[in-house]
Amino acid sequence: GNSVTQMEGPVTLSEEAFLTINCTYTATGYPSLFWYVQYPGEGLQLLLKATKADDKGSNKGFEATYRKETTSFHLEKGSVQVSDSAVYFCALTYTGGFKTIFGAGTRLFVKA
Amino acid sequence: SAVISQKPSRDICQRGTSLTIQCQVDSQVTMMFWYRQQPGQSLTLIATANQGSEATYESGFVIDKFPISRPNLTFSTLTVSNMSPEDSSIYLCSVEAGFTDTQYFGPGTRLTVL
Repeated sequence: GNSVTQMEGPVTLSEEAFLTINCTYTATGYPSLFWYVQYPGEGLQLLLKATKADDKGSNKGFEATYRKETTSFHLEKGSVQVSDSAVYFCALTYTGGFKTIFGAGTRLFVKA
Repeated sequence: SAVISQKPSRDICQRGTSLTIQCQVDSQVTMMFWYRQQPGQSLTLIATANQGSEATYESGFVIDKFPISRPNLTFSTLTVSNMSPEDSSIYLCSVEAGFTDTQYFGPGTRLTVL
């Protein structure tokens, strides 16, 4: 079946450090891939997305590339800030399927 | 995009009672979703609510426990019935807007059952 696996947290970094959160998926066909972010006490919001192989999604300094050959969609940011502390969810959705499958979430703590 | 509000934002309820959560969207949408997020865990889809038809429930969730209404294209309710402490979770509604495969989430309802 379809699934999303992401690295376990929590991840603790100092401000301005480089961030990578790994995400791999199992799916048939060609899903769209997403990163959602959940700040403390809030609902999820879309961070970035990619809809086909080799697409790069980017937003707020974060980026992720849809790698079909490795079935991966790793999230990266060159220099994290304290305000980036949140839980990050990798997800996939089939076009027209309207059902989204979420990874377990990775909690990020950024220290000043 | 879509802006979604939920009421209540949080509640503390007694075992055996029921709570109805409301979800309001600022635009007409075809599909609305209800999720449960247990403490420290990911999201689990409870059901998909389409206007004009019965909700479609995921494995492990039943209508008697989680009845859903969808009276129009901007509103839905989820009721958590006969609650037990195991129902303590955050309940989130979301919509898929504009056939983009992207989901937009409400802020969630934090439920504690004593």
